[in-house]
Amino acid sequence: AQSVTQPDIHITVSEGASLELRCNYSYGATPYLFWYVQSPGQGLQLLLKYFSGDTLVQGIKGFEAEFKRSQSSFNLRKPSVHWSDAAEYFCAVGTNDMRFGAGTRLTVKP
Amino acid sequence: GAGVSQSPSNKVTEKGKDVELRCDPISGHTALYWYRQSLGQGLEFLIYFQGNSAPDKSGLPSDRFSAERTGGSVSTLTIQRTQQEDSAVYLCASSLAGAAYGYTFGSGTRLTVV
Repeated sequence: AQSVTQPDIHITVSEGASLELRCNYSYGATPYLFWYVQSPGQGLQLLLKYFSGDTLVQGIKGFEAEFKRSQSSFNLRKPSVHWSDAAEYFCAVGTNDMRFGAGTRLTVKP
Repeated sequence: GAGVSQSPSNKVTEKGKDVELRCDPISGHTALYWYRQSLGQGLEFLIYFQGNSAPDKSGLPSDRFSAERTGGSVSTLTIQRTQQEDSAVYLCASSLAGAAYGYTFGSGTRLTVV
């Protein structure tokens, strides 16, 4: 069965600092992997996705994620966080349908 | 339409009543999904429609929940005899042909059972 674990419920970083959000997955084959962001009062927006090929994928808003098969991980990174990045971030795995992690809430300190 | 439309945006109902939630997907999207997001929780998969295939109902939490998709377009999620634990935001998403294409989410219906 497919499942996603986001170990960090809440992360606080200072504006301008780097960010890494962790995601581990369980899947029977090579998965499709996704990161979504949900800003307060907003719907979910796709940040990036991985299907195959280059294990480092670039997304919108300066985010990137790296697929590591050996660690069953797909961590999201950003070199310099902006105050507007404060939101809930969800990792997801699937092919026909997706399973989502519980989310990581990001707070950005001035 | 330009996006996924859900209605109503908010619904307050009394315990024991039935409710219907509507989702109008993006035109041409063959895949449609329903998720539930409870306060502070992630997205819980409920049901998935793909074209004319039988839906994947494996996420429906009880037989009080059902969904249909008419004509491969609009979908209705029905909750019978609502309970307080059904209170959540119900999200609908559509996709061109499956998760690989990414989802477009609607804004959700916030259901409150009192």
